[in-house]
Amino acid sequence: DGGITQSPKYLFRKEGQNVTLSCEQNLNHDAMYWYRQDPGQGLRLIYYSQIVNDFQKGDIAEGYSVSREKKESFPLTVTSAQKNPTAFYLCASSLGLVDEQFFGPGTRLTVL
Amino acid sequence: RKEVEQDPGPFNVPEGATVAFNCTYSNSASQSFFWYRQDCRKEPKLLMSVYSSGNEDGRFTAQLNRASQYISLLIRDSKLSDSATYLCVVDKSGSARQLTFGSGTQLTVLP
Repeated sequence: DGGITQSPKYLFRKEGQNVTLSCEQNLNHDAMYWYRQDPGQGLRLIYYSQIVNDFQKGDIAEGYSVSREKKESFPLTVTSAQKNPTAFYLCASSLGLVDEQFFGPGTRLTVL
Repeated sequence: RKEVEQDPGPFNVPEGATVAFNCTYSNSASQSFFWYRQDCRKEPKLLMSVYSSGNEDGRFTAQLNRASQYISLLIRDSKLSDSATYLCVVDKSGSARQLTFGSGTQLTVLP
């Protein structure tokens, strides 16, 4: 089955700690994305990558970092510099930047 | 003006009703348009793409009005299972082409 996986589903961390969220896809898509969604809000783009070893900041990149060493993987690190990290994080992928995006099931991050 | 604007709702309609959502976009050069559906605490999933000539998929009809820069979604014969948030998605044309998601319109279909 082709798709996108994210792990873990729920994540708790203490304030001041960095945490890395995993995103893997086997759809052979070039583009991958990270979004953040807060309760009752829309999706806000954190980072995106068009191709391996390249990524661009989205609208709310401050306090986050990414890497794209493999086509299949696009991990997101939430650093201690992110002031309000508690949110629902969604990873997506697509063939190209304006093509239909497929989403993973998301990771709910709670900072205690 | 926001790049993509939707009426947040909520829309509460009885089962069997017809309901329509509109979404306006700011960039006249946008070329790709989609409607996504997001169930509570789940990831968004593609409902349908929106084509220039309009398109239909069962009870769902999507239309594009380029002159007025809006897209619409019509749901006929609403089912309880249609209850969800519907996201309008438009490409951000120009040098940084990517999709922009609207904040969504919440629909509740009542028995």
